[in-house]
Amino acid sequence: EVQMVESGGGLVKPGGSLRLSCAASGFTFSTYTMNWVRQAPGKGLQWVSSISSTSSYIYYADSVKGRFTISRDNAKNSLYLQLNSLRAEDTAVYYCARDYYDGGGYYYPYWGQGTLVTVSS
Amino acid sequence: DIQMTQSPSSLSASVGDRVTITCRASQGISNYLAWFQQKPGKAPKSLIYAASSLQSGVPSKFSGSGSGTDFTLTISSLQPEDFATYYCQQYNNYPRTFGQGTKVEIK
Repeated sequence: EVQMVESGGGLVKPGGSLRLSCAASGFTFSTYTMNWVRQAPGKGLQWVSSISSTSSYIYYADSVKGRFTISRDNAKNSLYLQLNSLRAEDTAVYYCARDYYDGGGYYYPYWGQGTLVTVSS
Repeated sequence: DIQMTQSPSSLSASVGDRVTITCRASQGISNYLAWFQQKPGKAPKSLIYAASSLQSGVPSKFSGSGSGTDFTLTISSLQPEDFATYYCQQYNNYPRTFGQGTKVEIK
């Protein structure tokens, strides 16, 4: 069974840092692109970042570029998101999601349960 | 960036109703369109991929159609467990973008 479990969320002051982790199991982690998607309280879904299987390709949303860093450790079946220079508008539940190739493109059928990041003084 | 616009933003419907939600892309995305269902406090659940393919395990009352810029999600007979928020997402290119969501409420 495909499973992803996020951790590392919490309360942090504006300007602070946090590192999120996503522990994956039930599939060959090293062969899939992994993604972070966030959802501010009461708001919609926002894609944050993606990293290819060998870390060769990395993409960020403009709103986090230069502040967030995505990485992975295939030996540990783990995905990470380093959050720096945090702002109040980064407050959200952060989800880890796995790609799946549908024969034409890659979509996200598998999601973790999310971890809440709250940025407040 | 490709903008995804859903309509309506919310709707009220009764059990047994047929419900249709539309999603429009600001530029053509072929059929690289997914639909998700989300209930409060839960992660999104995949319903449809490639615009019209049903995710494994999802009941056939859900269907999707469209290509290019205009897409629809239809629920053929609304049941109590279907009251939720629905999102479309394009995966034609980066940045991946979602619609703003459609909240389906009980009438």
